This record gives sequence, C-alpha cells and structure tokens, in this order.
Amino acid sequence: KAGVTQTPRYLIKTRGQQVTLSCSPISGHRSVSWYQQTPGQGLQFLFEYFSETQRNKGNFPGRFSGRQFSNSRSEMNVSTLELGDSALYLCASSLGGFNEQFFGPGTRLTVL
Amino acid sequence: AQKITQTQPGMFVQEKEAVTLDCTYDTSDQSYGLFWYKQPSSGEMIFLIYQGSYDEQNATEGRYSLNFQKARKSANLVISASQLGDSAMYFCAMREESGGYQKVTFGTGTKLQVIP
Repeated sequence: KAGVTQTPRYLIKTRGQQVTLSCSPISGHRSVSWYQQTPGQGLQFLFEYFSETQRNKGNFPGRFSGRQFSNSRSEMNVSTLELGDSALYLCASSLGGFNEQFFGPGTRLTVL
Repeated sequence: AQKITQTQPGMFVQEKEAVTLDCTYDTSDQSYGLFWYKQPSSGEMIFLIYQGSYDEQNATEGRYSLNFQKARKSANLVISASQLGDSAMYFCAMREESGGYQKVTFGTGTKLQVIP
C-alpha cells in the first residue's frame, strides 16, 4: 500500500505570493489533516478534512485554506505569503479523525 | 498555560535499557486523546501509540507503552529495550474539543539519543 505523498517536496516563494501544496492520502483514508512545523512554534495543527468538508481547524488566519476532492486528495493554499510562513508542512491521513494518522514526508516551504 | 508540556529537551539512554519520556497535559475536557509520535532526522512523523481518556488500561504497542495517570494529567512514554534506531525526536500530543471543533496540540518534543 502506498504511503501518504506530498508534492512538491521543496518550494521557494517570495513574500506576497501564494502557494498551493498537495497531499495524496493512503488509499481508503478519508481524513486528511495539515500541520505546520517551525523551529520557533513547533508543530501546529492547521485543519482537517473529511469527505470533502473541513471538519476541524486550528488557530491559523484565513490566509491558510484548504480543500479536499472526491478522491480524498487534499490541497492547502497559503495566500499573501509572509516570511514567517517558512516551515515544513506536513499532511497526515487516517481512516477517520486523529487516531493513528500516517504522515507524509512534508513540503518544505521557504519564503524569501 | 501550555496544553502539552514536555520538560526534557534532550535525553540519553544506553542501548537495551528502558527510558521514560515525560509528558503532562492540561485540559478541562472529559473526552480527549493522547498520542506519541516519533520524528527521525529524516523528518517523517511516525505514529507510535494512542491513549483515550476513558481507556482504563495503559496503551501498549510492542516496545512502547504509555503510562497514563489521569489524576496527575500525565502520559509518559516508556520505551523498553532501546535500540539505536530509536534515536529521534519524540512528540506528545493531545486531541481535545474546543468551540465545536476538535484540535490537536503538540508538545515541544524530546530529543532521544541512544548510546551504543
């Protein structure tokens, strides 16, 4: 069974731009969660999608948004990038909810 | 107040010895979940173990066990018979509900180094 895949693995953007990250969950998994990891703030939960609906969310500004498609693939979008958005963005999938999530390798975003 | 506190930034353990990684949490929810994840230097997060707040037995998964003390709000991870491959960052996390949403909060992590 293929694991969680994230594309791209590395990304460099400049302030003010927007970016879209993609996550393909494990086959059969309907829940996809997104996390941001930075040296300063650590690991922070962004949001969770289940069956194409945002079911849970953390405390991030509206610049961070996401969506999930009917095949459970998910995208995360960050608009008007700031230097502080530089981070490792991790996606995780599960059959449902936060129990036993399987993580992808992450997308490392650098904002210049 | 921190929701999840991991007081040990770094720890060393001799190979084949057991080690306990500390985690305390703060929540007013009655129903919550506690997790431990491992993050090797390669960066991927690996789920290790889960404990629900209503589970009466401590969770175990192979060499990993979670020492759950509800009254003390602690959820320590015990790794038995440490192996060199256990060297990694370990994160404690909690799932709780707030404002109708579930959210997950992570601790700052403990860097474990296994010495041959």
